[in-house]
Amino acid sequence: ETGVTQSPTHLIKTRGQQVTLRCSSQSGHNTVSWYQQALGQGPQFIFQYYREEENGRGNFPPRFSGLQFPNYSSELNVNALELDDSALYLCASSLNGQLNQPQHFGDGTRLSIL
Amino acid sequence: GESVGLHLPTLSVQEGDNSIINCAYSNSASDYFIWYKQESGKGPQFIIDIRSNMDKRQGQRVTVLLNKTVKHLSLQIAATQPGDSAVYFCAEKFQGNKLVFGAGTILRVKS
Repeated sequence: ETGVTQSPTHLIKTRGQQVTLRCSSQSGHNTVSWYQQALGQGPQFIFQYYREEENGRGNFPPRFSGLQFPNYSSELNVNALELDDSALYLCASSLNGQLNQPQHFGDGTRLSIL
Repeated sequence: GESVGLHLPTLSVQEGDNSIINCAYSNSASDYFIWYKQESGKGPQFIIDIRSNMDKRQGQRVTVLLNKTVKHLSLQIAATQPGDSAVYFCAEKFQGNKLVFGAGTILRVKS
């Protein structure tokens, strides 16, 4: 069984740039959720994708957007990067987002904004 | 509001002792709770979950207790080992598909 994989592992960008982060879900999982984890804090929910559509969103501005592909992999896009976007971005996959199933996380992408 | 908090930010225990990590949640409508362990440089790792129709669930060396009356969740680790050292998060399932995490508790195991 292949777990959740994310790429890249580390990334450095400057203010105003755009970034795309990628996630491959665990085999058999059709739901992907994205989280932002600032240093010393718990993960904060950004949004979830189920059946290639957004299926819930947290308190993040529209410059955070995403996609899910037919193979259930997903991308997180962030436009007009700000210094406060520096964080660990985590992807989690699960089965059928509405049901009470555990979400399994990847090891994240560490994004640094200069 | 949406918040899940932890009573103790850091817990130090002697190897072999039992550990208890506590968590208070705020949303009485939440019906699913999860404990995660996060080691340095890694993503959160699922430990154990519990649904709101239960008050206790046991796994291997871990037990989760849920007290809905006072909105309290705890994780008990039996015979704590050095490999248990990590940050532990509780999370509640909120509005159907969103996990709300607490700030985390650091568990340090002394040999």
